[in-house]
This record gives sequence, C-alpha cells and structure tokens, in this order.
Amino acid sequence: DTAVSQTPKYLVTQMGNDKSIKCEQNLGHDTMYWYKQDSKKFLKIMFSYNNKELIINETVPNRFSPKSPDKAHLNLHINSLELGDSAVYFCASSYLQGNTEAFFGQGTRLTVV
Amino acid sequence: DAKTTQPNSMESNEEEPVHLPCNHSTISGTDYIHWYRQLPSQGPEYVIHGLTSNVNNRMASLAIAEDRKSSTLILHRATLRDAAVYYCILRAFDNYGQNFVFGPGTRLSVLP
Repeated sequence: DTAVSQTPKYLVTQMGNDKSIKCEQNLGHDTMYWYKQDSKKFLKIMFSYNNKELIINETVPNRFSPKSPDKAHLNLHINSLELGDSAVYFCASSYLQGNTEAFFGQGTRLTVV
Repeated sequence: DAKTTQPNSMESNEEEPVHLPCNHSTISGTDYIHWYRQLPSQGPEYVIHGLTSNVNNRMASLAIAEDRKSSTLILHRATLRDAAVYYCILRAFDNYGQNFVFGPGTRLSVLP
C-alpha cells in the first residue's frame, strides 16, 4: 500500500479551467501538507492542515483552496488556472511533533496550456 | 524562523564516503534537525533526524555539533542511486507553522 497517494499523476489543462488534485494518506498522521515545486526546483510550502484545521497558509493566490474532509485526505482545488500554475505539486503527511518524519507523495505534474 | 544553509552542490566518487554539511546557527533548543533527499522525478524522502546526539540508520549517519549550530549528513559509501538533492531542515517540536520549510538544498552528483 502506498503511504501517501496523489491523483492524478499528470494533469494537462487549459488556462481558465478549474481542477482538483486529491491526496490520501493511510499512515494515521494528523498533519498534511501541500507543496509546489516550480521549474527552478524550489519546494515551497503552500498549506498545512492539522486534524482538518488549517495551520499554515503561505502567500498563495486565493484561487487555490485546500479542503480536508477528514484527517486522511487533503485535496487541492485550483480555480481559473494560469500558465504560472504549471509545476509539480506534492502532498505530504506527518505527525505534528517535530521529532517525527514526513512522507511525501510522488507528485502531480500540472501543465497549464 | 530558524534557517539552514547548505552548499549548492557537491560531487563524490562512487563507493566513497560523502559528508554533506549544514549550518543552522539560529537553531533553538527544541528544533530537530531533519534531512530529506529528492531523487530525480520523485517526491522528497526522509533520510534521518536528530536532536543532540549523533544518529545512525540504514541509510546514513547524522553528526551534530556539540553547540548544535551545524550538522553533517554522512553517506558511508555513495552509490549512483544516491545522486539527489539533499535538504537539511529544522523542525520545531511543538510549534505550529514552522514545519518543513525547504531551502534550496545540496545537489549531490556521484561519479562512477
């Protein structure tokens, strides 16, 4: 069983569309994250949820809206997609305490054309 | 936020040890030192973490300076599969909002 799974793995869409990326973890973790990795390969944290509550919300356009229906899921919905949204998006999960490791999904490569 | 600095890139020969340094001069007493690596076209993966004492696991060793202002990730025998970007991260034990902020990392090249 994959610990952190994201779907889809690849997503190609046109500007202006709305799309969602799903993330599920089966590790029983209480905290989940979304990261964006752009063409320069920098990993930037976007959001973090602990027990379904938002705890980190970095400077991200409000076109990005995370939703956590339960502790095991953190989905990312993106409205009105722009060319600059093209990137690889990674989901991760961990326990909140800093002495625990995080597990990452394999990423979703989003291409906006 | 506590931050880390790492060399942009390093090179190693296959089957030789590799020492990847990380400076974290503003580390606080409750910050854990974590290392992750990202292989090409994959998500980051956990390598090791520690607080004060040196740590060993099947992947690597972590040497932490006595004043905790720096640490070194040690790969005992580099293989071609170890070529990746290595990230050194500080993670507060109980502080919301300071988890898993990645810097640029060190790109490790392993030469055959």
